[in-house]
Amino acid sequence: SQQGEEDPQALSIQEGENATMNCSYKTSINNLQWYRQNSGRGLVHLILIRSNEREKHSGRLRVTLDTSKKSSSLLITASRAADTASYFCATDDGSGGSNYKLTFGKGTLLTVNP
Amino acid sequence: KAGVTQTPRYLIKTRGQQVTLSCSPISGHRSVSWYQQTPGQGLQFLFEYFSETQRNKGNFPGRFSGRQFSNSRSEMNVSTLELGDSALYLCASSPRTGAYNEQFFGPGTRLTVL
Repeated sequence: SQQGEEDPQALSIQEGENATMNCSYKTSINNLQWYRQNSGRGLVHLILIRSNEREKHSGRLRVTLDTSKKSSSLLITASRAADTASYFCATDDGSGGSNYKLTFGKGTLLTVNP
Repeated sequence: KAGVTQTPRYLIKTRGQQVTLSCSPISGHRSVSWYQQTPGQGLQFLFEYFSETQRNKGNFPGRFSGRQFSNSRSEMNVSTLELGDSALYLCASSPRTGAYNEQFFGPGTRLTVL
């Protein structure tokens, strides 16, 4: 079963608007990551947030993590048409040796209209 | 540095055949992980290799196997192909040093089973 579940499944916005995607997971984690995928291509790593962090920023990206609710959100500010892609959250299983076994959610398809 | 490369990029096989996919990690990266992506199941972890040893394994049948060579290059083999094996196969590499490192994904191999 999927560890992470993104919400919404699809999101359509206008250029310049902000986009917020949410991810929920089921078990304890060491870290949570967000990836972007353009139309059936490889995944691009966006940001990693550790379980002891609550918020992290990278450029136009802001990620929050609430371990008590087992949820995370990804905010993309001032979106651009080039941000159109699928966004996935990925988690480990919380154990030390399995940090490289990532479990992905089904993704949010973001469409940014020019 | 060159990114993760996967060959071939596209492959068409028929049921019952076997296939071998190749992944060359980023120079210096010793961990290679494989993922299967399908519209129905999403991204699922297959296995991870580090220093020529399988370190983690996902829930896939024994028809799926892999190996890693001394230069960290990895191959994945699927025997007795089924229609359901049609998918995008992604590999990811990581330095796997100390605390968790992000994984860098290749462009994927799209396998179609007829």
